Parts: sequence; C-alpha cells; structure tokens
Amino acid sequence: DVKVTQSSRYLVKRTGEKVFLECVQDMDHENMFWYRQDPGLGLRLIYFSYDVKMKEKGDIPEGYSVSREKKERFSLILESASTNQTSMYLCASSFPGRGGNQPQHFGDGTRLSIL
Amino acid sequence: EDKVVQSPLSLVVHEGDTVTLNCSYEVTNFRSLLWYKQEKKAPTFLFMLTSSGIEKKSGRLSSILDKKELFSILNITATQTGDSAVYLCAVETNTDKLIFGTGTRLQVFP
Repeated sequence: DVKVTQSSRYLVKRTGEKVFLECVQDMDHENMFWYRQDPGLGLRLIYFSYDVKMKEKGDIPEGYSVSREKKERFSLILESASTNQTSMYLCASSFPGRGGNQPQHFGDGTRLSIL
Repeated sequence: EDKVVQSPLSLVVHEGDTVTLNCSYEVTNFRSLLWYKQEKKAPTFLFMLTSSGIEKKSGRLSSILDKKELFSILNITATQTGDSAVYLCAVETNTDKLIFGTGTRLQVFP
C-alpha cells in the first residue's frame, strides 16, 4: 500500500516564523505535490516537483517555497508565516502519467494555525 | 482558465437513499477525471475515468464520464452512514497536475 506521511497533524506557529512542513512517500514516486485546502475553495496547488532538485510553481506559490533534496521527501517552507496561511496542507505523490493510469495518493494533512 | 465545478455543494439524505453527485469541467489538456472520498483525513481514491460512456463500478458506487458534454457523475445507491464524507472531483492534465472542484459534502442520517 502506498504511504504518504506528513510530519505533523496539527501545528501552531506565530506570524513571522519560518515554518517547515515535511512529507515522505515510500513508493518511489517521481511526482510530489503540495496543496492547501480551504472551505469553499477546495484544494489548490501550491508547488509540485517531477524529480529530485526540480520544482514548479502551482497556482498559489506566493509566500511559499519548496525543497526536494531526496526523491522520497518534499518539504514546504513558509518563509515568514502570516495569518492568511492558516489552512489544511495536503501532500500527494504519483508516478508520471505517461507510465499508466496512476492516481495521486495523499497524506493525512497538516492543519496549520498561524497566530 | 481551467475550472472544475461540483454540484450540489452539500446533500443531506437518509440511509437507503440513492444520490447522484455532479462534476462539470472546462480544462485544456484533459487526460482523466478522478473521484476521491475525504473523511477526516487523506482523500482516498475512488475512480479514474478516461473514456466516455464506460461505467466504473465498485460496490454501491459507480461513475461515468461524458467527454462530449464535459461532465461526470458519481452515483451511490443504498447509502449508509459510512458514506458521509466530502466527495472531490478532479481533472488530471497532461502535465500530471490535478485541478479540483470544491467538493460535495454528503451527510447520511440513519
């Protein structure tokens, strides 16, 4: 079974702090994704990565950065946390689509509150 | 701009009812349409649809895609309280990205 593990289920930080959210997958997936989920807005893509050291901006990258130093790990960084970044953050991973019909698999999410 | 629209936003039914959830889309570079179920934690995968008119079925759940009219439906028959969840529709593009709708919240009461 595919496992996508996010380091924290709940996290509380203060405005201005640098925040790291970690995600690890155990299926050797090339693709990894970070989303945020807000009521009424659904899941929105922040950043994604097709391979180690690669990163691409999603639809809402402002205020975030990412790091992918190893294939299994994809980190989301809030450079200077703000209250409008309070949200549920979901990590996902998948094989490249050209290799067959493979869905993205999701972690359990990190509920982040910025005070 | 690419978009995925789900309806209704929420639905309240009694156990045993049949429900139909709708998903329409306008997405360039369409590859497939996916349905996920989300309870308190990770969205879990239900179906991936790539071809029009071919129904996919898993127990009491079924789904079909219409690529001409750009929509999909998810049917749940004989609903149970365990079906209570948010159902997410997403379109996958040729660049492996998913574009999500806002979800349909289903509540099933005994």
